[in-house]
Amino acid sequence: SQTIHQWPATLVQPVGSPLSLECTVEGTSNPNLYWYRQAAGRGLQLLFYSVGIGQISSEVPQNLSASRPQDRQFILSSKKLLLSDSGFYLCAWKAQPVEAFFGQGTRLTVV
Amino acid sequence: RKEVEQDPGPFNVPEGATVAFNCTYSNSASQSFFWYRQDCRKEPKLLMSVYSSGNEDGRFTAQLNRASQYISLLIRDSKLSDSATYLCVVLYNQGGKLIFGQGTELSVKP
Repeated sequence: SQTIHQWPATLVQPVGSPLSLECTVEGTSNPNLYWYRQAAGRGLQLLFYSVGIGQISSEVPQNLSASRPQDRQFILSSKKLLLSDSGFYLCAWKAQPVEAFFGQGTRLTVV
Repeated sequence: RKEVEQDPGPFNVPEGATVAFNCTYSNSASQSFFWYRQDCRKEPKLLMSVYSSGNEDGRFTAQLNRASQYISLLIRDSKLSDSATYLCVVLYNQGGKLIFGQGTELSVKP
């Protein structure tokens, strides 16, 4: 069966510090991979998605970047965090014909 | 205009009520449609896919109108456990881009 791992679950980082969130998927090949951010009481904002290794589509210009170094690994990064980067970050995977499955999310607080 | 728009919430209904959520999408090339449910501070989980012919799963009925670019979710006989945020989701761009609506909060009261 397929599983998705996302860590850490909670993170508190100072403004200006770097960020690296990792997401890995098991049990499937060549999935589409996604990073979303959810602000408190708001919907999911698509940040990046990837349909294959090294292929990244960016949806919103911002202080973040994404990379897919391996088929089932998706990394969200920032060189210098801003207060506005705080939020609930969710990684997801999807492969035809099934629906998208989410990791348990990372609550990031930038202080 | 947002790519996927939903009814603003919250919806506060008594147990046993029927409640309907609506969603519109802007890209006519959209390929697949879903309703997800998100409980407080948790990740979203699939409630049901939406098929062109409409589909039903117990108390839940989903419908799609491609001509009007409109999706709906009907919940009959609401239960307390139905309280959550319901998210409309659209997949397009040759199966790559997965866009969520902002969600509609449902609160079912005794």
